[in-house]
Amino acid sequence: DVKVTQSSRYLVKRTGEKVFLECVQDMDHENMFWYRQDPGLGLRLIYFSYDVKMKEKGDIPEGYSVSREKKERFSLILESASTNQTSMYLCASSTQRTGNNQPQHFGDGTRLSIL
Amino acid sequence: KQEVTQIPAALSVPEGENLVLNCSFTDSAIYNLQWFRQDPGKGLTSLLLIQSSQREQTSGRLNASLDKSSGRSTLYIAASQPGDSATYLCAVQGGSEKLVFGKGMKLTVNP
Repeated sequence: DVKVTQSSRYLVKRTGEKVFLECVQDMDHENMFWYRQDPGLGLRLIYFSYDVKMKEKGDIPEGYSVSREKKERFSLILESASTNQTSMYLCASSTQRTGNNQPQHFGDGTRLSIL
Repeated sequence: KQEVTQIPAALSVPEGENLVLNCSFTDSAIYNLQWFRQDPGKGLTSLLLIQSSQREQTSGRLNASLDKSSGRSTLYIAASQPGDSATYLCAVQGGSEKLVFGKGMKLTVNP
């Protein structure tokens, strides 16, 4: 089974801090994704990566950056945390090896509160 | 811009009912449509993926159908159980690796 592990289930940070959310997958997947999920707004894509050191902006990249130095790890960085970044953050991965029709596999999420 | 809609937003039913969950999308140019389940406070679990060339997929008590031309998919749950209570999300994949999600439907199955 694919395992996507997010480093923290709950995180509390202060406004202005630099925040790192980590995600690791164990299936050698090429694609990795960061989403945020908010009530009434659903899941929105922040960034995704289709290879090491490659990244593409999603729908809401403002205030975020990402890092993918190794294939199995994809980090989301909040450069200067603000209260409107309080949310549930979900990481996902998928493979390209057998074509485009592959499901995304999700981690359990990090519930981030910015005070 | 692709938009995915799930109506209703919530559904409460007694145990044992057969259920149909609806998903509609605006752009029929898709690679696939995926159904996910989300338990409270958890991530998403992939249930079924239907490729654009397929009409339906089945897994146990779940059956998902796809009518690409009309922009609709349904998830059929047979003989619902309290353990089926969760939020169900559909998502479509278009011309890239990105998924566009509906806002989900919260299902409660009462014993």
